[in-house]
Amino acid sequence: KQEVTQIPAALSVPEGENLVLNCSFTDSAIYNLQWFRQDPGKGLTSLLLIQSSQREQTSGRLNASLDKSSGRSTLYIAASQPGDSATYLCAPGVFGNEKLTFGTGTRLTIIP
Amino acid sequence: DAGVIQSPRHEVTEMGQEVTLRCKPISGHDYLFWYRQTMMRGLELLIYFNNNVPIDDSGMPEDRFSAKMPNASFSTLKIQPSEPRDSAVYFCASSFTGGTEAFFGQGTRLTVV
Repeated sequence: KQEVTQIPAALSVPEGENLVLNCSFTDSAIYNLQWFRQDPGKGLTSLLLIQSSQREQTSGRLNASLDKSSGRSTLYIAASQPGDSATYLCAPGVFGNEKLTFGTGTRLTIIP
Repeated sequence: DAGVIQSPRHEVTEMGQEVTLRCKPISGHDYLFWYRQTMMRGLELLIYFNNNVPIDDSGMPEDRFSAKMPNASFSTLKIQPSEPRDSAVYFCASSFTGGTEAFFGQGTRLTVV
């Protein structure tokens, strides 16, 4: 059974700093990994999808990396802004089915 | 496309009542997922469908929960009878075959009193 851990559970940083969110998973037989953000009281918004054959994926100030063999992914946010404040969740997809297993998330607060 | 659409957004019901949650996936997506989110357990997959057929319902907590997908554009999650511990936010999501992005609806916040 896939288990997903996200560390830290909460993070507060001043505006403008670069930061890294971590995601680890136990079953390395994944075919992709998706990062989401969730604002309070809202649904999940997809940020980045990395296929298992990729090592990195970039979208604007966001960069996600994937190391399948070690069961790790990171989400790098450059030049953080108050609007980045949200909970960030990672979800690996295991080969053979389409379902995603979610971590418990990292609650990020950017201090103006 | 308007994205995944869920209704109602909020539902308050009394214990023992039947509750029906609805979902319209993104047109053309062939996978549909129902998740439940609570503070204690995070996001849990309840059931998912492929081409309207239930593939894995191992996450459905009890027989009180049932889900249907009568056609490619509509799915329901029913709880009968509802209990206070069913209070949570229920999300529907959809995706294409082949490990593509999953898109989520805004969720239904269910409160059972």
